[in-house]
Amino acid sequence: AQSVTQLDSHVSVSEGTPVLLRCNYSSSYSPSLFWYVQHPNKGLQLLLKYTSAATLVKGINGFEAEFKKSETSFHLTKPSAHMSDAAEYFCVVTPRMDSSYKLIFGSGTRLLVRP
Amino acid sequence: NAGVTQTPKFRILKIGQSMTLQCTQDMNHNYMYWYRQDPGMGLKLIYYSVGAGITDKGEVPNGYNVSRSTTEDFPLRLELAAPSQTSVYFCASSMDRGRGTDTQYFGPGTRLTVL
Repeated sequence: AQSVTQLDSHVSVSEGTPVLLRCNYSSSYSPSLFWYVQHPNKGLQLLLKYTSAATLVKGINGFEAEFKKSETSFHLTKPSAHMSDAAEYFCVVTPRMDSSYKLIFGSGTRLLVRP
Repeated sequence: NAGVTQTPKFRILKIGQSMTLQCTQDMNHNYMYWYRQDPGMGLKLIYYSVGAGITDKGEVPNGYNVSRSTTEDFPLRLELAAPSQTSVYFCASSMDRGRGTDTQYFGPGTRLTVL
């Protein structure tokens, strides 16, 4: 069975400081992992995805995530937070196998950015 | 290229009423999905479709029906609305070659309240 745990429901940082949003996963198969961002009253937008190539994945807006199989983690980072980064972030897993296309969502982490 | 569009944006229903949430994509994607997002939670899959004429249940299908007569459209039907169906509904689509690696593109959502 597949599952995702986002370890923090809320993260608050000051503008210009690093961002770390933590995600652990469980998967019976080699997973694909995604981070999606949801701004208030908007749909979800893909930030980045891991699909078995390089373990360090770079996404949009300066975000990146590292797939660590030994730790079953896929934490999202950004060196310097911007006010526009304030949003809800979802870590998502799907088993990478034939006929698998169902996304399993974490419960989300709300990122607050203080001026 | 509008991507994934959903109508309406907001709706209030009375218990027992019916309605259809519309979803259209113009990316010629084979796969389409309906999710619901309850407050403070990640998205849960209601129904999905792998092509015109083919639909299947997701994690939380009870109380909903879908159809897929064309590649572009994937309406979600609520037959007898209940307060438990108060949620934000997202439609998504992907090209997906069946290995869980393709990006899902989300619509802006429909906020439904059942009173």
